[in-house]
Amino acid sequence: DAGVIQSPRHEVTEMGQEVTLRCKPISGHNSLFWYRQTMMRGLELLIYFNNNVPIDDSGMPEDRFSAKMPNASFSTLKIQPSEPRDSAVYFCASSDSGTGFLQPQHFGDGTRLSIL
Amino acid sequence: AQSVAQPEDQVNVAEGNPLTVKCTYSVSGNPYLFWYVQYPNRGLQFLLKYITGDNLVKGSYGFEAEFNKSQTSFHLKKPSALVSDSALYFCAVRDWNSGNTPLVFGKGTRLSVIA
Repeated sequence: DAGVIQSPRHEVTEMGQEVTLRCKPISGHNSLFWYRQTMMRGLELLIYFNNNVPIDDSGMPEDRFSAKMPNASFSTLKIQPSEPRDSAVYFCASSDSGTGFLQPQHFGDGTRLSIL
Repeated sequence: AQSVAQPEDQVNVAEGNPLTVKCTYSVSGNPYLFWYVQYPNRGLQFLLKYITGDNLVKGSYGFEAEFNKSQTSFHLKKPSALVSDSALYFCAVRDWNSGNTPLVFGKGTRLSVIA
């Protein structure tokens, strides 16, 4: 299996620009999670989807953040406009939660985002 | 509500010595417990989980964890540490009766194994 694939691996952009992060989950997994990791705040859950439907977006920091999952094999996390404090590593993870979240989450290798 | 605590930000151990990374949890019902490891510039990788059954759970790379209900703990252990075990370790918990609530992760413990 190819694992969870995230792109790009690195993104450097200027403040105010739109940023789009992409994720391809493992085939057959029906839950998808977006996390943000920083030194100060650790690992934070931003949003998660079950069967392509957003279930909990309470971790999304502001309206500047949005996430979509148009189909079972693709999700995006968008920041518009971006700010320097959004600089972090963003992870996507997927799991087969058909048995009630008993299965582990599989993480991609992340997108390291730097906003100048 | 569910929560997890990793009381140590950093653990240092000499190569060949046993290691323990501590985790305590709080749930209202029964817990599902997980350990993950993160190597530099990589995503988190699943190590082991406790759902039910034996309190001692064995996982990848020679790691094991012991579920202790009375102490609400799930400490990660390895009998003999390797330098390659140096990484960031995360404990995570979920209450089995929490509906659609996903895992809650601890803040992580950085393990350094010194040769």
